[in-house]
Amino acid sequence: AQSVTQLDSHVSVSEGTPVLLRCNYSSSYSPSLFWYVQHPNKGLQLLLKYTSAATLVKGINGFEAEFKKSETSFHLTKPTAHMSDAAEYFCVVSVRTSGSYIPTFGRGTSLIVHP
Amino acid sequence: EAGVAQSPRYKIIEKRQSVAFWCNPISGHATLYWYQQILGQGPKLLIQFQNNGVVDDSQLPKDRFSAERLKGVDSTLKIQPAKLEDSAVYLCASSWEYLSGANVLTFGAGSRLTVL
Repeated sequence: AQSVTQLDSHVSVSEGTPVLLRCNYSSSYSPSLFWYVQHPNKGLQLLLKYTSAATLVKGINGFEAEFKKSETSFHLTKPTAHMSDAAEYFCVVSVRTSGSYIPTFGRGTSLIVHP
Repeated sequence: EAGVAQSPRYKIIEKRQSVAFWCNPISGHATLYWYQQILGQGPKLLIQFQNNGVVDDSQLPKDRFSAERLKGVDSTLKIQPAKLEDSAVYLCASSWEYLSGANVLTFGAGSRLTVL
């Protein structure tokens, strides 16, 4: 069985400071991992994905994530937070199960950015 | 390219009534997903279609929920009868296919259901 755990339900940062959103996964096989963002009253949008190539993955809007197999983690980071980054962030694991890939979402982390 | 279309955007019904949601995926996308997102939680997969066949529906409450994807394009999700705990946003997503872990999902704007 596969699962994903987002360790923080809320993260609060000041504008201009670094962002760290934590995600741990559980999978019996090599997973594909994703981060999606959901802005208020908008649809879910892909930020970045890891699919067994480079372990450091760069995404849109300056976000990046590092796949660490030994720690089963896929934390999302950004050097400098902007007010526009305030949103809900979801970590997703996709593992082949009975011949098909089933994407499973974490519970989400709400990023709050203070001026 | 046109995105994933969903309707209605908002629906308010009383418990025990029925409701249906419609989804039109991106043209050419063979895989279609319905997720339920309850306030404060992550999306939960209800059903996944590959063309017009079901890949996974293990979390679909089959006593009240049903979904179909006729002709492998549009899909309809129905709830009958609705319960208070069905209040949620119902998200439709599509992707090229399900045989790759690199599959990126494109989501629609969602249909918000309130059950009174």
